[in-house]
Amino acid sequence: QLQLQESGPGLVKPSETLSLTCTVSGGSISSSSYYWGWIRQPPGKGLEWIGSIYYSGSTYYNPSLKSRVTISVDTSKNQFSLKLSSVTAADTAVYYCARHNTVVISFDYWGQGTLVTVSS
Amino acid sequence: DIQLTQSPSFLSASVGDRVTITCRASQGISSYLAWYQQKPGKAPKLLIYAASTLQSGVPSRFSGSGSGTEFTLTISSLQPEDFATYYCQQLNSYPVTFGQGTRLEIK
Repeated sequence: QLQLQESGPGLVKPSETLSLTCTVSGGSISSSSYYWGWIRQPPGKGLEWIGSIYYSGSTYYNPSLKSRVTISVDTSKNQFSLKLSSVTAADTAVYYCARHNTVVISFDYWGQGTLVTVSS
Repeated sequence: DIQLTQSPSFLSASVGDRVTITCRASQGISSYLAWYQQKPGKAPKLLIYAASTLQSGVPSRFSGSGSGTEFTLTISSLQPEDFATYYCQQLNSYPVTFGQGTRLEIK
């Protein structure tokens, strides 16, 4: 059974960089049918797609965040990562990683999510 | 960006009711629409992809329909575990976008 697990600091100071890693187990991140994505959800609000990455390193980003976002992949560790720079309180959210399935066109497996709070 | 508008935003219903949630896209997205269920404190769960295909393991009381710009999610007979928030999502083009959500509560 595929599992995804987010990890990283739960508290980030304003203007600093938020860094999270998603570890994939039970399957290979290098499979050709999948991208790997990040989605966030501010407390009490809806879902926002941040971006997705293919195992080759090809990326798609949400234009609303593109200037601050970098998503990378480490196939040797079966992990992909998110960096969001110059954070503000508006970036406080639960951050989810998910498998972006290009065959079953959807996000079919999700991590449990991790709350990141931006505060000094 | 493609905007998705769900209606209603809030729905109160009883166990056994049949409910329908609508998702309208600001431009045509073919059938590249998915539906998710989210319970408090949990990650979204995929229910339906390609507008009408039930994800493995999802009860058959859930169904989806539509193409182009108008889509529906129907729950034929509400069960206690179905009270949650539902989101539609379009994957026709980047950026991937979600509807604002429909909160389904017990009457």
